Amino acid sequence: NAGVMQNPRHLVRRRGQEARLRCSPMKGHSHVYWYRQLPEEGLKFMVYLQKENIIDESGMPKERFSAEFPKEGPSILRIQQVVRGDSAAYFCASSPNILAGGLNEQFFGPGTRLTVL
Amino acid sequence: DQQVKQNSPSLSVQEGRISILNCDYTNSMFDYFLWYKKYPAEGPTFLISISSIKDKNEDGRFTVFLNKSAKHLSLHIVPSQPGDSAVYFCAATLDFGNEKLTFGTGTRLTIIP
Repeated sequence: NAGVMQNPRHLVRRRGQEARLRCSPMKGHSHVYWYRQLPEEGLKFMVYLQKENIIDESGMPKERFSAEFPKEGPSILRIQQVVRGDSAAYFCASSPNILAGGLNEQFFGPGTRLTVL
Repeated sequence: DQQVKQNSPSLSVQEGRISILNCDYTNSMFDYFLWYKKYPAEGPTFLISISSIKDKNEDGRFTVFLNKSAKHLSLHIVPSQPGDSAVYFCAATLDFGNEKLTFGTGTRLTIIP
């Protein structure tokens, strides 16, 4: 059973360009989360999605950032008009449906390292 | 506002000895606590968790202790092995239905052979 897959692993963009980060959850998982890790910091929650629904986007910057998890295909984190401060590692995690009485463990992908020149 | 804090950025421990990683939190509403391990260029890997209704959870060489009154938890690894060298993140979540994990800044553990 393949783990969470993210691509690309490394992405370089110039200021003002768009960045698209893709995440394929583990087979059978219907919940996807995106986190961002700035240098020397912990992971910061950005957004939580289920198929075709955004459940919690409280960690998403108000502008330029968007996320989707369509019925078919990977989840996409889109950053428009990137700035140098967007340079970070972006991690995707997935989890199965919540089981009654159980913690919904999140499985992480290897991350996409975005560098904005 | 750092709600989950790991005040030791790094820790070195002799192989075979006990490694103790500490974590403090400020939000008394946190309901579940987790430890993740991260190698370079990889995503975090779940290690062990504990519910707020417990004060200890053990899984092989790993034990997590929770002191709710002090808002403090710790991860004990014994005996420490070279493969344990990694960055360890403490994380917390509010309740079963809230999937948002709040992470600490991490502690880099180095096991000295």
